[in-house]
Amino acid sequence: AAGVIQSPRHLIKEKRETATLKCYPIPRHDTVYWYQQGPGQDPQFLISFYEKMQSDKGSIPDRFSAQQFSDYHSELNMSSLELGDSALYFCASSPRDRAGETQYFGPGTRLLVL
Amino acid sequence: AQSVAQPEDQVNVAEGNPLTVKCTYSVSGNPYLFWYVQYPNRGLQFLLKYITGDNLVKGSYGFEAEFNKSQTSFHLKKPSALVSDSALYFCAVRDLRAYSGGGADGLTFGKGTHLIIQP
Repeated sequence: AAGVIQSPRHLIKEKRETATLKCYPIPRHDTVYWYQQGPGQDPQFLISFYEKMQSDKGSIPDRFSAQQFSDYHSELNMSSLELGDSALYFCASSPRDRAGETQYFGPGTRLLVL
Repeated sequence: AQSVAQPEDQVNVAEGNPLTVKCTYSVSGNPYLFWYVQYPNRGLQFLLKYITGDNLVKGSYGFEAEFNKSQTSFHLKKPSALVSDSALYFCAVRDLRAYSGGGADGLTFGKGTHLIIQP
């Protein structure tokens, strides 16, 4: 079965640079979520989109922004990168923006900021 | 605010023995509860969820979990552990009341429990 696709899988950036992470949800899933998992930490919810509209925000820094496009893929844009942004970034998708729907996670993008 | 507690950082079980990974939650409304498993350098894989109905939920790979509203717990169990079950397990919650009121709809995760199955 098709899964969530994330690209790139690995990314190395310098401080103060920008990065763009991409997420392609499972076909027919119209809701996308972004999470950040620091080393040895639990995943923290950043932001979500349903039908191309922002659904809700978690602990996303102001330096980060995201959007969902007409084909339902999503991009997380990160600017003025800091060392503390080094983490595993997960995208998840679900069929509809209902509380009981299962979120299916992608393999993640590992971002290293030097 | 919703929260999840996994009181054990690590659980060690001998292969073939039953295993339990503990999870307690706190929400203001009705909880939607999930268990995910994470293998090294991999994404989170869905195991099972409780939405409503039977308190005993069966999931993937022989895992099950029991929802206990009075104890606000959702412990993960398996009758006979396999070495391949060794991984990091996360319990997560979503608060229906928060969702209906336009609040956060992301999952809130516990800190995770390392499950080690010894041959």
